[in-house]
Amino acid sequence: DAMVIQNPRYQVTQFGKPVTLSCSQTLNHNVMYWYQQKSSQAPKLLFHYYDKDFNNEADTPDNFQSRRPNTSFCFLDIRSPGLGDTAMYLCATSRPGQGFSDGYTFGSGTRLTVV
Amino acid sequence: GENVEQHPSTLSVQEGDSAVIKCTYSDSASNYFPWYKQELGKGPQLIIDIRSNVGEKKDQRIAVTLNKTAKHFSLHITETQPEDSAVYFCAASRAGNMLTFGGGTRLMVKP
Repeated sequence: DAMVIQNPRYQVTQFGKPVTLSCSQTLNHNVMYWYQQKSSQAPKLLFHYYDKDFNNEADTPDNFQSRRPNTSFCFLDIRSPGLGDTAMYLCATSRPGQGFSDGYTFGSGTRLTVV
Repeated sequence: GENVEQHPSTLSVQEGDSAVIKCTYSDSASNYFPWYKQELGKGPQLIIDIRSNVGEKKDQRIAVTLNKTAKHFSLHITETQPEDSAVYFCAASRAGNMLTFGGGTRLMVKP
């Protein structure tokens, strides 16, 4: 089945130690998003890629970076995680040709704990 | 930009009762309104969506209604079951824009 897969499901990292979360998709969607979600709050958009074009949200800390080497993969890099970065990180994709306002498909998320 | 408010933040119902979650939006140009269900430890899953050219859509026990004039839309779950317990998010967007999410509703269905 076409899907969005996030790895790992759970990640524990030390304060200040760089960490990378990965997302892959088999949907051939051209838009990929990274969200941060804390304590069942609404997901908060960090950034998104429209094809190769990177779009950063104004309030996303510089500590968060992203890479999209090809259509299928997208990575979230946290350069120096702080305790406040403990959260669920969600990857999502949306359908090609439909703009942004259609069919978001989410992965199962990576629960990151910074200790 | 768009602003979406969702109520209530928590909702507890007895199994078999109905549940209603309401959302209001601010951008009159918004034309797409999805609802997501998020179970504990999982990503949100799309359960139903509606576009501005229809007023109601139904899929088995769930339905969504849209009032464009009042700028609000609602999720209705009938004959609730324990497996309906989850956090539900509404969202809104206009063509070419990204989704704006509501704050979420934690639904608890008591057996």
